[in-house]
Amino acid sequence: QQQVKQSPQSLIVQKGGISIINCAYENTAFDYFPWYQQFPGKGPALLIAIRPDVSEKKEGRFTISFNKSAKQFSLHIMDSQPGDSATYFCAASYNNDMRFGAGTRLTVKP
Amino acid sequence: DGGITQSPKYLFRKEGQNVTLSCEQNLNHDAMYWYRQDPGQGLRLIYYSQIVNDFQKGDIAEGYSVSREKKESFPLTVTSAQKNPTAFYLCASNFGGPNTGELFFGEGSRLTVL
Repeated sequence: QQQVKQSPQSLIVQKGGISIINCAYENTAFDYFPWYQQFPGKGPALLIAIRPDVSEKKEGRFTISFNKSAKQFSLHIMDSQPGDSATYFCAASYNNDMRFGAGTRLTVKP
Repeated sequence: DGGITQSPKYLFRKEGQNVTLSCEQNLNHDAMYWYRQDPGQGLRLIYYSQIVNDFQKGDIAEGYSVSREKKESFPLTVTSAQKNPTAFYLCASNFGGPNTGELFFGEGSRLTVL
């Protein structure tokens, strides 16, 4: 069964807009929540990550919001750029067992 | 430069043939992983290895085999028993153990069965 559910499957945003991708998890033992960015034909690369002791983490235009009680977390991309067009995966990990969401294909239109 | 090297990048195989995908890392990582990526399904774990000469099955190990004879190398063999082998295969590594965090990925190998 899928332990991390990600939505939407695809997202189209205008340049300068905000992109929001959501994830929900089931296992309360998860203690590390990364987001990976993947360009076509490449391997995923870590974008930003959070641990459950904080509710928000910001790095440049990228922010993770974390709601422990709802078992949900989300990625916000502010001022989205065409270069942000990629597939984004959320993940959740416990004891080095990492589970991935199905991915969101983001397209940022110029 | 440190990183993970996967080869070949593209591979074509006839049905009934075994094929081996190479993964080499120079990051001095203890743990190595193989994931399979299919459209709309995210990344699914095939096998992982925490130390040399030891490896464990992941969620979709059937039809695959691995070895870990050296710390730097973790090859994956896709056998003829794998019913639907056409996919994008990703190798990853990290230092292993609890609270390790980030996985580092290679650039992937795309296998197509003709």
